[in-house]
Amino acid sequence: DGGITQSPKYLFRKEGQNVTLSCEQNLNHDAMYWYRQDPGQGLRLIYYSQIVNDFQKGDIAEGYSVSREKKESFPLTVTSAQKNPTAFYLCASSIARRQFNMNTEAFFGQGTRLTVV
Amino acid sequence: DAKTTQPPSMDCAEGRAANLPCNHSTISGNEYVYWYRQIHSQGPQYIIHGLKNNETNEMASLIITEDRKSSTLILPHATLRDTAVYYCIVRAENYGGATNKLIFGTGTLLAVQP
Repeated sequence: DGGITQSPKYLFRKEGQNVTLSCEQNLNHDAMYWYRQDPGQGLRLIYYSQIVNDFQKGDIAEGYSVSREKKESFPLTVTSAQKNPTAFYLCASSIARRQFNMNTEAFFGQGTRLTVV
Repeated sequence: DAKTTQPPSMDCAEGRAANLPCNHSTISGNEYVYWYRQIHSQGPQYIIHGLKNNETNEMASLIITEDRKSSTLILPHATLRDTAVYYCIVRAENYGGATNKLIFGTGTLLAVQP
């Protein structure tokens, strides 16, 4: 089935360690996004990519890095520079350019809950 | 992208219509109105979107005012499973042009009561 997959669902790391969150989609979407959600808060955009080998910072990119080497994959690395990394991380994808009769809604993964101890 | 304003929370009785408002007074001509919902600890789910005309699908109806400065999402017969945070988003899109980043606000927590 087509969809977007994040793994793992739960992740624990020690403070000071880098950690990489996986996001894979088989929807043939050009655009992919990473969001962070804290308890009781909305989603905040970390990074997004409109096409392979290109990405832009969102509103809270500091302490994070991404790569987009393949269309299907958009991994997010939470570095030791991120001061408050414990959060719920959501990945999404969509088509990048509106075409006639095509919708550009985003499809979301089920999220990765990262806990840093 | 234009900013949206939504009430932080709303209640609705099961079986009744839920009407969720959204203000987007600075919306531009090429900005679409999108609605998503997020059930606790899951990824957001797309509901519906529109530009100028009212829209309806199997999940909901979207009513956009003539001046496009506000909209209302209608769930015609709310069930307990509709309890979620509902996000209203405006996003600039042009045919053939690159879509812009998707910015979420804090949404409205809809609590459907038995």
